[in-house]
Amino acid sequence: NAGVTQTPKFQVLKTGQSMTLQCAQDMNHEYMSWYRQDPGMGLRLIHYSVGAGITDQGEVPNGYNVSRSTTEDFPLRLLSAAPSQTSVYFCASSLDPLGMSQHFGDGTRLSIL
Amino acid sequence: TQLLEQSPQFLSIQEGENLTVYCNSSSVFSSLQWYRQEPGEGPVLLVTVVTGGEVKKLKRLTFQFGDARKDSSLHITAAQPGDTGLYLCAGATGNQFYFGTGTSLTVIP
Repeated sequence: NAGVTQTPKFQVLKTGQSMTLQCAQDMNHEYMSWYRQDPGMGLRLIHYSVGAGITDQGEVPNGYNVSRSTTEDFPLRLLSAAPSQTSVYFCASSLDPLGMSQHFGDGTRLSIL
Repeated sequence: TQLLEQSPQFLSIQEGENLTVYCNSSSVFSSLQWYRQEPGEGPVLLVTVVTGGEVKKLKRLTFQFGDARKDSSLHITAAQPGDTGLYLCAGATGNQFYFGTGTSLTVIP
């Protein structure tokens, strides 16, 4: 089983560039979410979705957009990259908002120069 | 401000010793989870607890959810080198998850 697949694994951007981080899951999970992980800060929720067509903001949403057109895919868009967005980004999916059977991808390591 | 505080932040013990990691908050959670994360990988779910006072055991790991659903602990019996990793707690409230900053555990053979 693939679980949660994130692409790319690594990316270097220049300040002001835009890009999309891809996330796909094959477990038919309704709940999907994006986190960033920074040293000493733990994982912080950026955006989440409780089902196709429904998205909402998490703890640190500024500078990021999401959409959920299908159950399987939940891309994260950086509109105009800033050095403060240098981080490791994780996508997760679960059966429900309680986190039942929650799976994480292996992350995208993003550097903004 | 961190919603979930984990302690200790770092822990280095000898193989065979016991240890407890704590996850505390002033907020009430619908569920609380524990994860283990290895370098370069995503967190892996160990357990989900949803009932106040609930205790779950997973081989040598024992997880407890506080009666008031504000705190949790993870106890490892007879730690092994394979237990080395970053342990994270996470609480669900509303539709959002909040993670603690983690406990980095090193078990020395």
